[in-house]
Amino acid sequence: DAGITQSPRHKVTETGTPVTLRCHQTENHRYMYWYRQDPGHGLRLIHYSYGVKDTDKGEVSDGYSVSRSKTEDFLLTLESATSSQTSVYFCAISPSRGQRNTEAFFGQGTRLTVV
Amino acid sequence: AQRVTQPEKLLSVFKGAPVELKCNYSYSGSPELFWYVQYSRQRLQLLLRHISRESIKGFTADLNKGETSFHLKKPFAQEEDSAMYYCALSSDNYGQNFVFGPGTRLSVLP
Repeated sequence: DAGITQSPRHKVTETGTPVTLRCHQTENHRYMYWYRQDPGHGLRLIHYSYGVKDTDKGEVSDGYSVSRSKTEDFLLTLESATSSQTSVYFCAISPSRGQRNTEAFFGQGTRLTVV
Repeated sequence: AQRVTQPEKLLSVFKGAPVELKCNYSYSGSPELFWYVQYSRQRLQLLLRHISRESIKGFTADLNKGETSFHLKKPFAQEEDSAMYYCALSSDNYGQNFVFGPGTRLSVLP
């Protein structure tokens, strides 16, 4: 398995509280992504990063922010959690196109429940 | 901008029947196409990629540049094939270089 870990794996939090999810990689891959997965919606991109301190919004970025101060870590923050953010969150990493065996690798997911 | 579409959210077939999961893409450059699979409560994992022209677990997919499609096929579905399937595209873009489709849930009935 590619060296990608998400923490925590499960979290229950109250509405209005801040939450930070961490994605850590040991592959030195350039690109990192945060997705949420919901029944009936499949994967939806929240934010992505194409280098240290280089990030951009995906299709469902409202209510989320990200930071990437080091190559290996990509943090997703919910500034004030809402029940609509209850979901399974996946982190993914990928190398630059053209590198051998270009492929996206996924973490095991974080199940977040906002009550 | 690059985009991947999967027109079916859910596809149900009987065991032993052929399966085709559709994927279409839009990208002006030369894409690399992939299929990912997610079994229940597991992480997504690579199933196959077009450049290797391989067959994994009986699945194949052919890139059709004229129709901008990369449909996933299997001649005889098995119950263990039930999962979420995602089509993905890798591009040369400086920004987001991997784009995933919305996914199709395959349900193989006994």
